Amino acid sequence: DQQVKQNSPSLSVQEGRISILNCDYTNSMFDYFLWYKKYPAEGPTFLISISSIKDKNEDGRFTVFLNKSAKHLSLHIVPSQPGDSAVYFCAASVTGYALNFGKGTSLLVTP
Amino acid sequence: GAVVSQHPSWVICKSGTSVKIECRSLDFQATTMFWYRQFPKQSLMLMATSNEGSKATYEQGVEKDKFLINHASLTLSTLTVTSAHPEDSSFYICSARLYSNQPQHFGDGTRLSIL
Repeated sequence: DQQVKQNSPSLSVQEGRISILNCDYTNSMFDYFLWYKKYPAEGPTFLISISSIKDKNEDGRFTVFLNKSAKHLSLHIVPSQPGDSAVYFCAASVTGYALNFGKGTSLLVTP
Repeated sequence: GAVVSQHPSWVICKSGTSVKIECRSLDFQATTMFWYRQFPKQSLMLMATSNEGSKATYEQGVEKDKFLINHASLTLSTLTVTSAHPEDSSFYICSARLYSNQPQHFGDGTRLSIL
């Protein structure tokens, strides 16, 4: 049973524009959310996280928004760069327990 | 950032062979390590959680006698796929974390191909 869902398998954005990646979850007990970036044949790289006590966390070009009532989070990348092209995984957990991953969204940033 | 090293990165072997994969945290002591498996275009599926010095906790449907996990030190966990068969071919990834409120850091994965 997929508790974390990324409904868009792919997204294409022009360089310089905003990329918005979405993620929904079903388990209301989740209180820790993360985004990972993954290149082919490599392990995921941690990007940014947010705990349920916040609704926004920002790190440079990356901002994660959390809407607990909607059980939805999103990752905003501004401005998007060609090097951002990768697969982005959303993950969620109850703090201290294993992560539950979505299936990923493949982002392509075109020049 | 934290570095997790996974070795080997690619293994091709005959059916019936046992394969050991190592996962090392290079710059921090990992109290907990995780092993995942990823099928093409799918999410990472957790196989097991291991805490240093204790037995691994396996997810439902994962055979503990098939996938042996050892977490002998705070910097090393190993996954041994015993008597591997073609259906075990997959991408195996480990991760490690220090504290429960910190993100997991992943190795680069091992591509296992069983002929």
